[in-house]
Amino acid sequence: DAKTTQPPSMDCAEGRAANLPCNHSTISGNEYVYWYRQIHSQGPQYIIHGLKNNETNEMASLIITEDRKSSTLILPHATLRDTAVYYCIVRVNPPGGSARQLTFGSGTQLTVLP
Amino acid sequence: SQTIHQWPATLVQPVGSPLSLECTVEGTSNPNLYWYRQAAGRGLQLLFYSVGIGQISSEVPQNLSASRPQDRQFILSSKKLLLSDSGFYLCAWSVSQRTDTQYFGPGTRLTVL
Repeated sequence: DAKTTQPPSMDCAEGRAANLPCNHSTISGNEYVYWYRQIHSQGPQYIIHGLKNNETNEMASLIITEDRKSSTLILPHATLRDTAVYYCIVRVNPPGGSARQLTFGSGTQLTVLP
Repeated sequence: SQTIHQWPATLVQPVGSPLSLECTVEGTSNPNLYWYRQAAGRGLQLLFYSVGIGQISSEVPQNLSASRPQDRQFILSSKKLLLSDSGFYLCAWSVSQRTDTQYFGPGTRLTVL
């Protein structure tokens, strides 16, 4: 899996958009970009993933640069409940019938301020 | 929709006692199932995964074992707990199709005294 680099911490005002960057300059063509978050003392929560195109779901948007070397997770209207550690992960999918570990780096601690 | 359950939520056990943690998934069939451990302030460590009933792969040698008696049930066990077994145990599931998104349960916080 390609290495990712994220800022260790960020603050965001409640109601504003939170933009979380991730650098993955060594990403290969068949690697997906995944985002998860972990709120304190809870299990990690899947947010979104993408390969080349920008993606949007009910939680967030994922913007991937054209060269795929970086991406940004956007929470459009951050709330206090979005305070969590956000992890950017780059990985290939395992072959059918097999499974692989999901490896989290240190992530970005996002603190949403009232 | 799919849901994943783990119990108990918290557990305090003495050293040398047995352990049984249970995980069940609803709303999907033939999922891949995973047991992870997260030590305080650290990343996830994959302990076991299963791609089908009775099929268990161990990632790390230890005094823990896993079993999958039913399609959507995954059990983590130990005959004798060690102090180093303390941690946050997470069960996850995925469906290996076009992508490999893993969905996590709420976790069990185990303290071994």
